[in-house]
Amino acid sequence: QVTLKESGPVLVKPTETLTLTCTVSGFSLSNARRGVSWIRQPPGKALEWLARIFSNDDKSYSTSLKSRLTISKDPSKSQVVLTMTNMDPVDTATYYCARMGIPSAIDAFDIWGQGTLVTVSS
Amino acid sequence: QSVLTQPPSVSGAPGQRVTISCTGSSSNIGTGFDVHWYQQLPGTAPQLLIFGNTNRPSGVPERFSGSRSGTSATLAITGLQAEDEADYYCQSYDGRLSSSVFGGGTKLTVL
Repeated sequence: QVTLKESGPVLVKPTETLTLTCTVSGFSLSNARRGVSWIRQPPGKALEWLARIFSNDDKSYSTSLKSRLTISKDPSKSQVVLTMTNMDPVDTATYYCARMGIPSAIDAFDIWGQGTLVTVSS
Repeated sequence: QSVLTQPPSVSGAPGQRVTISCTGSSSNIGTGFDVHWYQQLPGTAPQLLIFGNTNRPSGVPERFSGSRSGTSATLAITGLQAEDEADYYCQSYDGRLSSSVFGGGTKLTVL
């Protein structure tokens, strides 16, 4: 069974750096043509794609947030980590990690984590 | 403002057919990038509903179907059921932004 689970702080202060971890099971981060993306959703608003990393370590970031984001992976721990610097209250959202890996639709998110709500407030 | 445009809401009675549109541009859907659809039930994470424009993952009922034409895509739901009440999102890739992009979401209400 494939699962992804997000973990990290529930509350961060403005200007702090957020570090989120996605722990996966049921598949390997080293498998060819597999990737993991981070996606967020502010309360009551739409989904927003943030970043992705593939098994070959190919990385891509949202154009609008690129300067603040870093994505990395540790296959030995089955983890993908996202850091976002200079947090602001507008970054308050539920953050999801999701698997990418349908061979005919590599950019589709076929399995999602449950999400973790991060609130930015002083 | 989302790169992909969806109607904020649609509604239908049980048993009816509803459609949800997703309008993009020449840098995403119009280029030929695939469209995928997600269903988000209240208080839960999104789930993949349609991938590669027309394909259903295992377990998704045949009542759900997708299509793509030009710079737009459409999700159709036939035989509407109360359990279909949810938010629906389209997603594609934008070559100009080099990013995955989502629509603004459509809330489906079953009357």
